[in-house]
Amino acid sequence: RKEVEQDPGPFNVPEGATVAFNCTYSNSASQSFFWYRQDCRKEPKLLMSVYSSGNEDGRFTAQLNRASQYISLLIRDSKLSDSATYLCAVNHARGGTYKYIFGTGTRLKVLA
Amino acid sequence: SQTIHQWPATLVQPVGSPLSLECTVEGTSNPNLYWYRQAAGRGLQLLFYSVGIGQISSEVPQNLSASRPQDRQFILSSKKLLLSDSGFYLCAWSVGVNQPQHFGDGTRLSIL
Repeated sequence: RKEVEQDPGPFNVPEGATVAFNCTYSNSASQSFFWYRQDCRKEPKLLMSVYSSGNEDGRFTAQLNRASQYISLLIRDSKLSDSATYLCAVNHARGGTYKYIFGTGTRLKVLA
Repeated sequence: SQTIHQWPATLVQPVGSPLSLECTVEGTSNPNLYWYRQAAGRGLQLLFYSVGIGQISSEVPQNLSASRPQDRQFILSSKKLLLSDSGFYLCAWSVGVNQPQHFGDGTRLSIL
């Protein structure tokens, strides 16, 4: 089992739709969780951190489910400009220290 | 504010040639520094990370090496490039192991 897994997609949704992605992680001791956005041939950019109580930033909502070991990202009122690959990152305990593990990303296409 | 600079943006090198990619961070002290590689259509693979000057941890055995000669400078090197070294190389920094990482613009390396 991979340490961090994401559905690669693509998720094709119409403008204005609500879409949600999940990211599962295998290590129950993982401490920190993040969502990144990566445009084609560009570097990943931090979208938001994921807090235990859930958090919202405009149209984006991130949630953490420790019992089932996954994080989610919900995008409301999708815009064409939301088309990108969304990577999750999990801070993963390994060998006495913490390492970041990135998922391979979920591709989103918002259609006009 | 903190900024990260990575260069060059693109590089075409013949097999067997040496490599040196440089990354510098401004606006912060003693950052954690990371080198990643992203192959086409693949996830981010952590190559090296550093928590301080001269401290380098290698994640994956390979013909690459990293050095941190100054607090905010991180260099990725190779003595002899292989075809399999092609990819998108990303430098990143964070203020701590539980904090989000921030990426440079990346170097797209093609080996011929």
